[in-house]
Amino acid sequence: QKEVEQNSGPLSVPEGAIASLNCTYSDRGSQSFFWYRQYSGKSPELIMSIYSNGDKEDGRFTAQLNKASQYVSLLIRDSQPSDSATYLCAVSGGSNYKLTFGKGTLLTVNP
Amino acid sequence: DAGITQSPRHKVTETGTPVTLRCHQTENHRYMYWYRQDPGHGLRLIHYSYGVKDTDKGEVSDGYSVSRSKTEDFLLTLESATSSQTSVYFCAISDRGGNTEAFFGQGTRLTVV
Repeated sequence: QKEVEQNSGPLSVPEGAIASLNCTYSDRGSQSFFWYRQYSGKSPELIMSIYSNGDKEDGRFTAQLNKASQYVSLLIRDSQPSDSATYLCAVSGGSNYKLTFGKGTLLTVNP
Repeated sequence: DAGITQSPRHKVTETGTPVTLRCHQTENHRYMYWYRQDPGHGLRLIHYSYGVKDTDKGEVSDGYSVSRSKTEDFLLTLESATSSQTSVYFCAISDRGGNTEAFFGQGTRLTVV
């Protein structure tokens, strides 16, 4: 059984700071990694995908993957109050059709 | 937004009654998934489909069945609803399975009384 672990938070940062969200996974065969953002009462929204070791940047978001350490992270630069949400880490493996989700980290950005 | 529509959006039903939730997509994606989301448990996979009439169980499939008779529709049926099935249900679609991004519908809030 694959496991994806996230710190449940809440993680509180001031506006303009860098928010760092972390995720570890148990299955070494995992190949695809995703970050979703979920506002309260809404559905998950994909914000980043990463497939190879290293960093991937998209605007204020940077995803980092270290397969040797089975670790994936999301950095949010210049955090805004509108970034306040739950961030879900999701992982999938080679021939596996399924995404396994962590329980999410609640981020609060304080003005 | 990906063309995914879930219906109904909200439903209250009584214990012991059958309930069917519908997921309709206009993206022609091959893979479709049903998840439930509960406080403290996160998103858990109920069933998924990798093609018309091709379905398989997820981690919390007991008490649920699914059907997919055409590409665009994936139905989730609670055969005899129980209070433990009170949850928010999300449908998701994916073009090429677990190695690519999945996109979610708006969700269905189901309450079993």
